[in-house]
Amino acid sequence: DQQVKQNSPSLSVQEGRISILNCDYTNSMFDYFLWYKKYPAEGPTFLISISSIKDKNEDGRFTVFLNKSAKHLSLHIVPSQPGDSAVYFCAASGGSSGNTPLVFGKGTRLSVIA
Amino acid sequence: EPEVTQTPSHQVTQMGQEVILRCVPISNHLYFYWYRQILGQKVEFLVSFYNNEISEKSEIFDDQFSVERPDGSNFTLKIRSTKLEDSAMYFCASTPDGPSRDTEAFFGQGTRLTVV
Repeated sequence: DQQVKQNSPSLSVQEGRISILNCDYTNSMFDYFLWYKKYPAEGPTFLISISSIKDKNEDGRFTVFLNKSAKHLSLHIVPSQPGDSAVYFCAASGGSSGNTPLVFGKGTRLSVIA
Repeated sequence: EPEVTQTPSHQVTQMGQEVILRCVPISNHLYFYWYRQILGQKVEFLVSFYNNEISEKSEIFDDQFSVERPDGSNFTLKIRSTKLEDSAMYFCASTPDGPSRDTEAFFGQGTRLTVV
């Protein structure tokens, strides 16, 4: 049962352009969403998050959009840089107690081409 | 910057053997987690640990698995009798408090477990 889905296993974008990574979720109890970035041979590192009370959160080149009615979130990276090439995981948490572990998607491999 | 450290980075073991994966969470964090990622698949939650006891565990975390905080700094995952399907990357993570709103987990670099 995939509660968090990242339907694109990979994405290639030219340097300087916008990268858009998508994520869908099924559990309406999720109320906190995070994006993690993972380089080979390293653990996931936190990138940006958004609470369900917001629909947008921006941090430098990274913006996360949340559409609760569609149970969809996206990560925008603009402009994309070669160093952004990594696997990006969408994760969600929440529940009636607000105290649940992260549920991850399968990840999207982003390749930024110079 | 404080970080979560895991040892070893790679562990090869024979099927049926016991393995212990070690983690040193960030020092002032109170919640600790183990996740795993089988090659090509998603990162999956195994167990969370708080106040010297398991807080939550997934169905993956069966009787073959156990966790321990033997001292004030280490957090270990033991697999009693490894199976081929236990081969995965195991990530330790910690959070300052519970996995609630506005809390991101900090992950270690992972231990790659290969069962042969």
